[in-house]
Amino acid sequence: NAGVMQNPRHLVRRRGQEARLRCSPMKGHSHVYWYRQLPEEGLKFMVYLQKENIIDESGMPKERFSAEFPKEGPSILRIQQVVRGDSAAYFCASSPPGYGYGYTFGSGTRLTVV
Amino acid sequence: SQQGEEDPQALSIQEGENATMNCSYKTSINNLQWYRQNSGRGLVHLILIRSNEREKHSGRLRVTLDTSKKSSSLLITASRAADTASYFCATDRPGGYQKVTFGTGTKLQVIP
Repeated sequence: NAGVMQNPRHLVRRRGQEARLRCSPMKGHSHVYWYRQLPEEGLKFMVYLQKENIIDESGMPKERFSAEFPKEGPSILRIQQVVRGDSAAYFCASSPPGYGYGYTFGSGTRLTVV
Repeated sequence: SQQGEEDPQALSIQEGENATMNCSYKTSINNLQWYRQNSGRGLVHLILIRSNEREKHSGRLRVTLDTSKKSSSLLITASRAADTASYFCATDRPGGYQKVTFGTGTKLQVIP
């Protein structure tokens, strides 16, 4: 079991470009969560998805950010027209269905906007 | 808004000593979890304690939960240099789904 796989590990984008971050959850996990972490800070919730459904996107900026978890393939966090303030580490976590399970985290994608 | 706040923000101890970190939260919870994050890495789940539990052990870790005070503590006994990391508490809410909110973290340094 390979755990939660995130790619790329590092991503550099110029201002105005698009960033696509991918997350493959652990086998058997149907719940995916995306978090953003700024240096020396905690994790800020962005979005919670199940297959083909967005359950909670209350932490997502209203513009430029979107997420999906299709029936087949990884979950994608997409940031359009990136700005310097989007530079951060983006972590994906997954959990099995049901309640009261800890999350399994990926190693994160470090996005740098230049 | 952040649900949990850890205290202290930073802690430095000698190897072999015990480390205690505290977490306070604001609203009712279903579960409280503790995670560890090594510098530049993802978070690792350490332990989950349910709202009807008061204490839980896992190896050198001991977690307590006081729902009347809305607080939890994480004790690491006989610390090792490898325990150097940031530690976060995370809470979810009853009646809802599994979204978990993280605190701001305690940065622990264990000096060999």
